[in-house]
Amino acid sequence: GDSVTQMEGPVTLSEEAFLTINCTYTATGYPSLFWYVQYPGEGLQLLLKATKADDKGSNKGFEATYRKETTSFHLEKGSVQVSDSAVYFCALSGHTGNQFYFGTGTSLTVIP
Amino acid sequence: GAGVSQTPSNKVTEKGKYVELRCDPISGHTALYWYRQSLGQGPEFLIYFQGTGAADDSGLPNDRFFAVRPEGSVSTLKIQRTERGDSAVYLCASSLGTGGYGELFFGEGSRLTVL
Repeated sequence: GDSVTQMEGPVTLSEEAFLTINCTYTATGYPSLFWYVQYPGEGLQLLLKATKADDKGSNKGFEATYRKETTSFHLEKGSVQVSDSAVYFCALSGHTGNQFYFGTGTSLTVIP
Repeated sequence: GAGVSQTPSNKVTEKGKYVELRCDPISGHTALYWYRQSLGQGPEFLIYFQGTGAADDSGLPNDRFFAVRPEGSVSTLKIQRTERGDSAVYLCASSLGTGGYGELFFGEGSRLTVL
């Protein structure tokens, strides 16, 4: 069945460091791919998405490119800030469009 | 507010009791989802409503779990004869349409603890 595997955490970085959180997926057909973020004390919210191969999603300095050949959707940011500290979830929506499958989450802590 | 509202935010109950969790989605959102999130895990799909009907309930773990959305807006997740393993955060999300291209808007969750 459809599934998402993402890099285990926790990840601790210094401010202005480069961030990569790896995500790979298994899916039937052509899924849509998402990164959701959960800041402390808040609900999950969409960070960025890509709906077809080679699309790049971007938001708040974060980027991820939908790579069909490697079945990946890695999250990157060139210079993290303390305010980026949160848990990041990779997710896909399968070919039916009804279900979202989430990874286990990667906790990021950015220290000044 | 205009977001997804879930009540109660915290519920502590004893093993064997009945529990109801409520979700009030964003006005106008036809799709509503329930997820369960255990500690250190990602959200696990339970059930999806399109309007009043449960379009996909394949994620409900057993027949102790049931959900309704009688008027196509507010939804209630019902858990009978609760077990300690049911302890988790139950998340509700809504969307304008089917999720494939739409964005899920999540509530802050209802934390259930079964003693």
